This record gives sequence, C-alpha cells and structure tokens, in this order.
Amino acid sequence: DTGVSQDPRHKITKRGQNVTFRCDPISEHNRLYWYRQTLGQGPEFLTYFQNEAQLEKSRLLSDRFSAERPKGSFSTLEIQRTEQGDSAMYLCASSETSTLSEQYFGPGTRLTVT
Amino acid sequence: AQTVTQSQPEMSVQEAETVTLSCTYDTSENNYYLFWYKQPPSRQMILVIRQEAYKQQNATENRFSVNFQKAAKSFSLKISDSQLGDTAMYFCAFRQGAQKLVFGQGTRLTINP
Repeated sequence: DTGVSQDPRHKITKRGQNVTFRCDPISEHNRLYWYRQTLGQGPEFLTYFQNEAQLEKSRLLSDRFSAERPKGSFSTLEIQRTEQGDSAMYLCASSETSTLSEQYFGPGTRLTVT
Repeated sequence: AQTVTQSQPEMSVQEAETVTLSCTYDTSENNYYLFWYKQPPSRQMILVIRQEAYKQQNATENRFSVNFQKAAKSFSLKISDSQLGDTAMYFCAFRQGAQKLVFGQGTRLTINP
C-alpha cells in the first residue's frame, strides 16, 4: 500500500448531473476525511469517518452532498444536481486514530462543472 | 471557531536564501497541534513539519524550522538554504485532537535559480 488513492483524478460534468468520487485510504487507517479546495485557497473540511461511522459534517456539506464509508475501508462522495459552484478539487485524507497521527492526503479529484 | 491566517499570498526568493512564511491563528483551546503542509504544483499535499502546543521547544526538520509563539498565536516557518524543489504552495493548519484540519489561505513560494 503506497498511499491514499482517489478516483477519478479529473471529472468534467454538466450542471445538473450527479457525480461520485472514490477514496481508498491507507489500509490500516481507520479515520478518513474529505476536504474541498477551490483555486488559490486552502482546503476546507467537509466530513470525516471513523471506521464506517460519519462523525462530523461541515455546514458546507449541503443536502446535495452525501458521503459513505460502508465497510470502514474505501469511501465515496456523491454530489447530486451539480452546480458550477461545486467546481473544485476534492481531497481525501486518512489517518490513524491517535491524536499524534498525521493525515496523509490523496492526489485529489478535480471536478469541473460546465 | 478556530481560524488560521496567512498574510503573505506570494513570496519569491533566490535559491540558497532563507525565507520565512508567516501564520497566525485564533483559538480558545490550550491543547492543539499546528502544521505546515506543502503542495507542489499538480502534486499532492505533504506534511513538512508539526508542532504540539504543549511543547515549548520549536520543531525542526532538516532545513525547515518553526517559530512558535503560543501567547501571540503565531507559527512561522523558516526554510534555510532554499532549493528549487521547495517551490510550492505552503499551508499553515491547526488541529485540535485527532480531528479535522483548519487551513490558512496559503502562501505561494517560488524559489528562483
């Protein structure tokens, strides 16, 4: 296992379509985080899981966004009825539970809504 | 809510020079962690250095060191003997416990040959 992977790396979609992204964390990591990064800005927290439980959701995560981690391994982030404002880089990170543990980031999925 | 502010949107230095990136944060907590992350162009974010708030000694990792001033809520990053590979976006981040990271807006650092 070489790190956090995300798929796809790039996604272009038309406004109103649904999209789904996948994140595969480092295998022994039980925490998984989703962040959104718009151009020229720092990442903003969206949600995180400990195993399969979703423990926190940001107010940025509108009802068009849903995230799952069904077996405590990979996670999916779905955006329904995409809007142009959803265009961003979606980053996934994983970590162990310890407070000293580092979050390791994936390469991100760049979403463009036309 | 915690906030992180990076007041230098862009910086540029010559190779081998020393550069310092600034970061301030706001929190009412006493125990927390601070980080500097590097995001090279079109590459993923990696951790450069971290500081535990309960430690008075400033963290150092090879050419990278921090100046942590807890009372002033300041956390600057110093890069010594800068190299072309240091060119990247640098993000200061705050974390309480094992929870989410709160990032600053970033500083775009360019190292010129």
